Amino acid sequence: AQTVTQSQPEMSVQEAETVTLSCTYDTSENNYYLFWYKQPPSRQMILVIRQEAYKQQNATENRFSVNFQKAAKSFSLKISDSQLGDTAMYFCAFTRTYIIQGAQKLVFGQGTRLTINP
Amino acid sequence: EPEVTQTPSHQVTQMGQEVILRCVPISNHLYFYWYRQILGQKVEFLVSFYNNEISEKSEIFDDQFSVERPDGSNFTLKIRSTKLEDSAMYFCASSYLIRVSYNEQFFGPGTRLTVL
Repeated sequence: AQTVTQSQPEMSVQEAETVTLSCTYDTSENNYYLFWYKQPPSRQMILVIRQEAYKQQNATENRFSVNFQKAAKSFSLKISDSQLGDTAMYFCAFTRTYIIQGAQKLVFGQGTRLTINP
Repeated sequence: EPEVTQTPSHQVTQMGQEVILRCVPISNHLYFYWYRQILGQKVEFLVSFYNNEISEKSEIFDDQFSVERPDGSNFTLKIRSTKLEDSAMYFCASSYLIRVSYNEQFFGPGTRLTVL
């Protein structure tokens, strides 16, 4: 069974600072996907960034980047030049790669509540 | 931009009552999911649904739970006889096929279920 662990329940930084959210996971699978989802207050979860395990290059989406360490089973999210709108709950999630098309379940971490202060 | 919607946003019920949580997935999506999050805990997978049948379900999804796609647009989660421990936020998600190995899930805003 896969598990995802986020060890930082809450974090708080000043606007424009850089913040890194940690995530570790455990799996015996070799091919899988990792995700960071953002859940603003009272709004739905949206996908921030995705990493495919077979790709060595770390994924980047504008101000968001990941540090994917496959051997260490670590997947951290870095937010550069943080903005007030980044305030949200952030979830790390895992899904295994499916050989044939099918519904894929996500395994989530506990979440990190990030607050960006003005 | 298309979104997954869920109704109601908050449901209060008495223990032992049946509840139906409703979701309208994005129209061209093929895969449907329910997750739940008990307050202060992690989001947990309940069930996935494809081609009018359950693809996978978790240990949580026992005989008290059922899912249905009654009319080609709605996707419902029914809890037959609610228990106090069913109190949680329930999230619906839907996905389309990007490629065989992966499809991206889009989440609804959730229904907060409170069982008294």
